[in-house]
Amino acid sequence: AQKVTQAQTEISVVEKEDVTLDCVYETRDTTYYLFWYKQPPSGELVFLIRRNSFDEQNEISGRYSWNFQKSTSSFNFTITASQVVDSAVYFCALSEAAGRRALTFGSGTRLQVQP
Amino acid sequence: GAVVSQHPSWVICKSGTSVKIECRSLDFQATTMFWYRQFPKQSLMLMATSNEGSKATYEQGVEKDKFLINHASLTLSTLTVTSAHPEDSSFYICSARDGREGGGLSPLHFGNGTRLTVT
Repeated sequence: AQKVTQAQTEISVVEKEDVTLDCVYETRDTTYYLFWYKQPPSGELVFLIRRNSFDEQNEISGRYSWNFQKSTSSFNFTITASQVVDSAVYFCALSEAAGRRALTFGSGTRLQVQP
Repeated sequence: GAVVSQHPSWVICKSGTSVKIECRSLDFQATTMFWYRQFPKQSLMLMATSNEGSKATYEQGVEKDKFLINHASLTLSTLTVTSAHPEDSSFYICSARDGREGGGLSPLHFGNGTRLTVT
């Protein structure tokens, strides 16, 4: 069975601070995919990043960066110089590479960026 | 990018009535769509997998007779909440994958969700 754990329920930071959102996953599959989605107050889910299990390279996209470590089954997400617009719930998700390939979501981390 | 449209955005209905939610892939074909439910301040829970031209696959604990899913075409899946009760009030979100997107498993694209309130 697959499981995604986001231990941080809620994080509050002040604008311009850096913040890291943790994600730990469990799966028996050797090939799988990890995702991060953002859900702003309006409710829609916005895709941020996808990573497959064979690619452990870290990725940076603007103020966002992701650190994937298979050894610790973690896929953490860092926002540098946070902004008020970053306030949202962030979900980490896992999918098997074959079969139905539905996403299993973590419980989400609510990020509040104060001005 | 791939767009998934969901309608209606919100609906209020009386207990005992049925509500239909539509999910469309606007610029791509989707043989499979996924329906999720999200209670306030909680995560997204997979309800069922909608398969074009065949029966949906329901997750454990989801009543198939209560949540009817029809996937009659490659761009449309519908979820009908039958005989709705207040405990069915939730945020329902559909999603689909655009198979044309490369780089391995393409991400799920989500509709904007339907907020259902049953009074």
